[in-house]
Amino acid sequence: ETGVTQTPRHLVMGMTNKKSLKCEQHLGHNAMYWYKQSAKKPLELMFVYNFKEQTENNSVPSRFSPECPNSSHLFLHLHTLQPEDSALYLCASSQGPTNSNYEQYFGPGTRLTVT
Amino acid sequence: AQKITQTQPGMFVQEKEAVTLDCTYDTSDPSYGLFWYKQPSSGEMIFLIYQGSYDQQNATEGRYSLNFQKARKSANLVISASQLGDSAMYFCAMREVNNDMRFGAGTRLTVKP
Repeated sequence: ETGVTQTPRHLVMGMTNKKSLKCEQHLGHNAMYWYKQSAKKPLELMFVYNFKEQTENNSVPSRFSPECPNSSHLFLHLHTLQPEDSALYLCASSQGPTNSNYEQYFGPGTRLTVT
Repeated sequence: AQKITQTQPGMFVQEKEAVTLDCTYDTSDPSYGLFWYKQPSSGEMIFLIYQGSYDQQNATEGRYSLNFQKARKSANLVISASQLGDSAMYFCAMREVNNDMRFGAGTRLTVKP
């Protein structure tokens, strides 16, 4: 596997379910990100991890819980979501968040539908 | 706060012609990076091109070039010889040192045969 992978690609869940999104990067990067992309809205940065440490949480509701066990893996645990949480969730990685010329490499995303 | 503006929600271009996608940004930091990404209907964001704020020359990558006008704070993407596979959403993004990347709202490009 190369690049950034995400599983599952599609997820339908009820509001009372608990599920997790998984992201894995094979690029040797040390920073990983979760973004939310809703229809007709710009990408919203949710969480940033640098060397496994969370460095940013952009006022994300607690029903979203990230986990970064190592620099290659990132999870997003979901519980008691709302229908407005339906969106494309994108994972990305980069060499580091502190230098402006590091591009981010994205995974294919998980299309989440909350019913 | 950073702000990225893409004023064209949708653009059409004839196959084999060139197209310019607009992007303006707002920052008071002298050091920043500008990026363009392509997002096909499959969802994945594909990195296209990068321009550093101190770069003297406009960036080019194959058929992609970035028209960087620093004083005007604009970083327009030029796609030459458009292909049907270029139909996608295009996002402009900026990143200041020690800040996270911020994205514009995107432009949907449709290439007509």
